[in-house]
Amino acid sequence: DGGITQSPKYLFRKEGQNVTLSCEQNLNHDAMYWYRQDPGQGLRLIYYSQIVNDFQKGDIAEGYSVSREKKESFPLTVTSAQKNPTAFYLCASNRDSSYIQYFGAGTRLSVL
Amino acid sequence: AQSVTQLDSQVPVFEEAPVELRCNYSSSVSVYLFWYVQYPNQGLQLLLKYLSGSTLVKGINGFEAEFNKSQTSFHLRKPSVHISDTAEYFCAVSAPPGTGGYNKLIFGAGTRLAVHP
Repeated sequence: DGGITQSPKYLFRKEGQNVTLSCEQNLNHDAMYWYRQDPGQGLRLIYYSQIVNDFQKGDIAEGYSVSREKKESFPLTVTSAQKNPTAFYLCASNRDSSYIQYFGAGTRLSVL
Repeated sequence: AQSVTQLDSQVPVFEEAPVELRCNYSSSVSVYLFWYVQYPNQGLQLLLKYLSGSTLVKGINGFEAEFNKSQTSFHLRKPSVHISDTAEYFCAVSAPPGTGGYNKLIFGAGTRLAVHP
């Protein structure tokens, strides 16, 4: 089945630690996105990529980094500079010609 | 720039009653509009979309929405809800090609629909 796979489902970060969230898609989609979801705030865009080896900052990129070395993969690193990382993180993708984004099941990140 | 306001953070309703979830948007250009549903601890699933044409849009699970340009609204409705409709619903807006922000979605804060027996 085609889709978007996010792993792990739950992740714990120690203070000062960098952690990486995985996002893989087998839909052959060009564009990929990372969102952060906090209660009562909807989804906020962290980073997006419309093509391999290129990505742009979204509205809340500070404290995060990404790479897009392969079309299928768009990992997100939450760095130690992100002081409030506890949230639900969602990865999405779409074909370049489409406005419909497909979402993964999410990763819930908590701080120990 | 676009923005989206979902007027109700929570909507309680009894099973088999009708429901309306309200969404207003702000934009200086024409927009595309979407409703997504999120079940607990899951990703988002597209319910319906408005790109152009008929202002009444039908989606999955018996939901429909009406685009009202003069009132800048895109309210979601269902004539009879089920317990299984309990979820969080997000309204989103996107700018069409050539207007900037292509393919980027701006989401509202969400409305939690709670269906009671």
